[in-house]
Amino acid sequence: KQEVTQIPAALSVPEGENLVLNCSFTDSAIYNLQWFRQDPGKGLTSLLLIQSSQREQTSGRLNASLDKSSGRSTLYIAASQPGDSATYLCAATQGGSEKLVFGKGTKLTVNP
Amino acid sequence: DAGITQSPRYKITETGRQVTLMCHQTWSHSYMFWYRQDLGHGLRLIYYSAAADITDKGEVPDGYVVSRSKTENFPLTLESATRSQTSVYFCASRTSGKYNEQFFGPGTRLTVL
Repeated sequence: KQEVTQIPAALSVPEGENLVLNCSFTDSAIYNLQWFRQDPGKGLTSLLLIQSSQREQTSGRLNASLDKSSGRSTLYIAASQPGDSATYLCAATQGGSEKLVFGKGTKLTVNP
Repeated sequence: DAGITQSPRYKITETGRQVTLMCHQTWSHSYMFWYRQDLGHGLRLIYYSAAADITDKGEVPDGYVVSRSKTENFPLTLESATRSQTSVYFCASRTSGKYNEQFFGPGTRLTVL
């Protein structure tokens, strides 16, 4: 059974800092790995999707990487801003399944 | 507007009552999903549908019923609500093709008294 873990559960950084959020998964037979952002009381916004054949994806100040052999994905946020404060969730689509398995998220606070 | 909408956004009901949460998407995505989000458990899949009239159970289906008579709608019914079903419910959709992104609705906050 796939398990997705995100550590730390919470992270606080000063504005302008570059930071990395971590995601690990137990079964490397995944179709893709998707990163989401969730603001308090809101739904999930898709940030980046990395297919199993890809190593990384970039969108603006965000860069997500995928290493299937080690069961890890990272989300790199450059030059963080207070508006980046949110909970970031990663989810893996298990091979042979239509289902996304979610981590419990990392709550990011960027302090002005 | 295009996208996924959920209704109601907030609902308070009593134990034993039937409640239906609505989900509507305008993209004609073939796949639709229902999740619940709870502190300590994260997001868990309740049911999903690959197409109209095709549904399947997720991780936590007990106490829930779904139907999908039209591609764009995927209602979730709690036949006899229990307090343990107090949660935030999210609907999601994606196109067919296992590599495609999943998109989420704004959620319904349900409280069962």
